[in-house]
Amino acid sequence: GENVEQHPSTLSVQEGDSAVIKCTYSDSASNYFPWYKQELGKRPQLIIDIRSNVGEKKDQRIAVTLNKTAKHFSLHITETQPEDSAVYFCAASGSGGSYIPTFGRGTSLIVHP
Amino acid sequence: SQTIHQWPATLVQPVGSPLSLECTVEGTSNPNLYWYRQAAGRGLQLLFYSIGIGQISSEVPQNLSASRPQDRQFILSSKKLLLSDSGFYLCASTGTGMGNEQFFGPGTRLTVL
Repeated sequence: GENVEQHPSTLSVQEGDSAVIKCTYSDSASNYFPWYKQELGKRPQLIIDIRSNVGEKKDQRIAVTLNKTAKHFSLHITETQPEDSAVYFCAASGSGGSYIPTFGRGTSLIVHP
Repeated sequence: SQTIHQWPATLVQPVGSPLSLECTVEGTSNPNLYWYRQAAGRGLQLLFYSIGIGQISSEVPQNLSASRPQDRQFILSSKKLLLSDSGFYLCASTGTGMGNEQFFGPGTRLTVL
């Protein structure tokens, strides 16, 4: 089955800095890669996703890049703000007809004012 | 887009007591439905998923069970709760097929004492 590794587990940055979270996946047939943000005590919410036919996608301060050859994808947050502090999860799905996403273990992002 | 309802929001139960958590989905038909558990500060553990009424697949053997009596209703149950059942239970839904966005419900925080 699919295996998703996510790094780092904790990321601490100063307000205004950029933050990068990286994920690798094992199954080259995976074709959908979402990123979720989970604030303390709340549900995970989709913030951006990318499909395997695209290499990069941006939405304001957030971007995701996908390298299919290397089987890794990354979340980039620019000009971080304290409200970006949360746990971020990556996931991969679509491999072999599977409708079950495989999640990374999460990254706790702390943005210091 | 979809709306997912879960109840109760919070639950405190004694060890050995039964459990019933309910999830209903609006805004879609024939969704794939999922139950996840999240321990404090941890990742998402998939417990059950369902591709249709009466069709349940278990990912982790344990004292929990799930049922799908209607297309947009998913129930998580236990006959006898264990201390280790404490956690944040999330219901999720996706459209049919591969590579679809997964929406999460607001969650139920269960404490077993």
